[in-house]
Amino acid sequence: GAVVSQHPSRVICKSGTSVKIECRSLDFQATTMFWYRQFPKKSLMLMATSNEGSKATYEQGVEKDKFLINHASLTLSTLTVTSAHPEDSSFYICSARTGYNEQFFGPGTRLTVL
Amino acid sequence: GQSLEQPSEVTAVEGAIVQINCTYQTSGFYGLSWYQQHDGGAPTFLSYNALDGLEETGRFSSFLSRSDSYGYLLLQELQMKDSASYFCAVMNTGFQKLVFGTGTRLLVSP
Repeated sequence: GAVVSQHPSRVICKSGTSVKIECRSLDFQATTMFWYRQFPKKSLMLMATSNEGSKATYEQGVEKDKFLINHASLTLSTLTVTSAHPEDSSFYICSARTGYNEQFFGPGTRLTVL
Repeated sequence: GQSLEQPSEVTAVEGAIVQINCTYQTSGFYGLSWYQQHDGGAPTFLSYNALDGLEETGRFSSFLSRSDSYGYLLLQELQMKDSASYFCAVMNTGFQKLVFGTGTRLLVSP
């Protein structure tokens, strides 16, 4: 299957700082990438849909100024958590969609905000 | 709104068969997928049903009834490594996005 990477895998930061998470499709071009958030023992909640070259579409209740998404190329989308607070601590997972409408998930990024 | 309901936890012993149910209410529907996720890992794709009926992939099978808005994942010959969380997910019309169910934690004991 196709490979999606995320960087970093873990990040610990102080409250008030911004954190950038990268999602890359390594062996295919992804016109659409998705960002999910997952709390411990909970389901994956879709945050936003990221389309290359256009603005992301955010799900209801997700603050677009808080979670900045940039999809600058067909293989890279970034999620920036701005002015992070402890309640933003979570597992963030991206996925990328192939031309065959399959979705492949990245390994996730565990964010801890102190 | 959209909701996909699953039992929160299922326990079974090695070698047994277990069924994980999923009932859904969505604004659009194109197909039902199943994913496996081990703790701290990424979801991995298991199965997909676009049409009614049973799809078999090795030890795993998945069933869909669109008229009942219901599906299930059947795991046979359970192994310890099958202990994980299992999620159903609906692809809405137009392939716009994948919405995940509440998840079922499967615990396989010796």
